[in-house]
Amino acid sequence: DIQMTQSPSSLSASVGDRVTITCQASQDISNFLNWYQQKPGKAPKVLIYDAFILETGVPSRFSGGRSGTEFTLTISRLQPEDVATYYCQHYDNLPLSFGGGTKVEI
Amino acid sequence: EMHLVESGGGLVQPGRSLTLSCTASGFAFDNYAMHWVRQSPGKGLEWVSGISWNRDKVGYADSVKGRFTISRDNAKNALYLHMSSLRVEDTALYYCVKDGSAFPRIFEYWGQGTLVTASS
Repeated sequence: DIQMTQSPSSLSASVGDRVTITCQASQDISNFLNWYQQKPGKAPKVLIYDAFILETGVPSRFSGGRSGTEFTLTISRLQPEDVATYYCQHYDNLPLSFGGGTKVEI
Repeated sequence: EMHLVESGGGLVQPGRSLTLSCTASGFAFDNYAMHWVRQSPGKGLEWVSGISWNRDKVGYADSVKGRFTISRDNAKNALYLHMSSLRVEDTALYYCVKDGSAFPRIFEYWGQGTLVTASS
């Protein structure tokens, strides 16, 4: 089974900062990776799919990257409404799995 | 407008069984894979199980394999999760989730969840 190791587990940054979250896959998953944002008390929503593609309606300050088996979610200029927990998820094969999550605070 | 409505959660003793249901509307249910994803209080997301549009691909997390069974009735636009030999650690909010594809790929649309509490 593929394990997704996400880091950091939490971070605190200032408005306008550049924030990067990393997700390491335990084996090659090509670009089969999605990113989600979950705000308190709400269901998660898709931010980025297929590693790089921004979901419709998601602000352009969010972007996805990949280097080998390491994937990144970057927020170029952190905004107050970005306070949330972020998760990566692979879909290379079954079973699917999520990373452990990164809680982003201001 | 899409809707996913979960039901069947509740308080159950460890070792007992429970079946969750999810009723879908507002989209062509039989065109999409479906999933159950859970979240324990204050914890992260855990994919539990998923099923392709035609039931060809079915998968389970290792933590539930052999205890949980996913099924779907495309004629009724319904998804089910039969949970047996429940453990305290199965306590969580269980979400019914629509995939964006016919085969397991992306968690596109989520229900509001149904709470399962396994406790004596």
